[in-house]
Amino acid sequence: SQQGEEDPQALSIQEGENATMNCSYKTSINNLQWYRQNSGRGLVHLILIRSNEREKHSGRLRVTLDTSKKSSSLLITASRAADTASYFCATDAGYSTLTFGKGTMLLVSP
Amino acid sequence: EAGVTQFPSHSVIEKGQTVTLRCDPISGHDNLYWYRRVMGKEIKFLLHFVKESKQDESGMPNNRFLAERTGGTYSTLKVQPAELEDSGVYFCASSQGASGSLGIQYFGAGTRLSVL
Repeated sequence: SQQGEEDPQALSIQEGENATMNCSYKTSINNLQWYRQNSGRGLVHLILIRSNEREKHSGRLRVTLDTSKKSSSLLITASRAADTASYFCATDAGYSTLTFGKGTMLLVSP
Repeated sequence: EAGVTQFPSHSVIEKGQTVTLRCDPISGHDNLYWYRRVMGKEIKFLLHFVKESKQDESGMPNNRFLAERTGGTYSTLKVQPAELEDSGVYFCASSQGASGSLGIQYFGAGTRLSVL
């Protein structure tokens, strides 16, 4: 599997529901970041969690990091149609470059 | 404040032609990165500039790709000659600071390159 591999590949939910996306990686990291990409747009940074942190919140976003399992999860609570996008996790091993997964496509239906 | 801008947004060229992509980072950002996403694959790192110097170009696929960052401001990525497998979306990102793992990278909207 690839470094920073997300699952599921696609997720379809109704507005108001929670969406959970997972990310696994293979090597040691300095931090892990989540990005969102709306169709045809650039990547928007959502949240960064450092290797010594276990959980972080930002608005309706909650990110967890388990370095022993080399995994992270992104939870979006009370989803909205505007949350429809592709979500990517990216790992930073301390060399300043990011390693991305293939992403999860989230569709939130009204 | 303007974000990272990339030009053009879309380029369609024939195999064997040359294409130059441009990236203007956020003003004051020393770090500039190029990434590429080929259809169906993950976003992959190409190279990293710190000011005008290439810090890491380990992701450049081959010598048909040439990146420059004159004066440490904007950057160009030239593909010459372009091949079919070069098709994809090329992203540029920038971040603050002089070197090292600095956290948040701000991305442009990307240039979609189609080689026919």
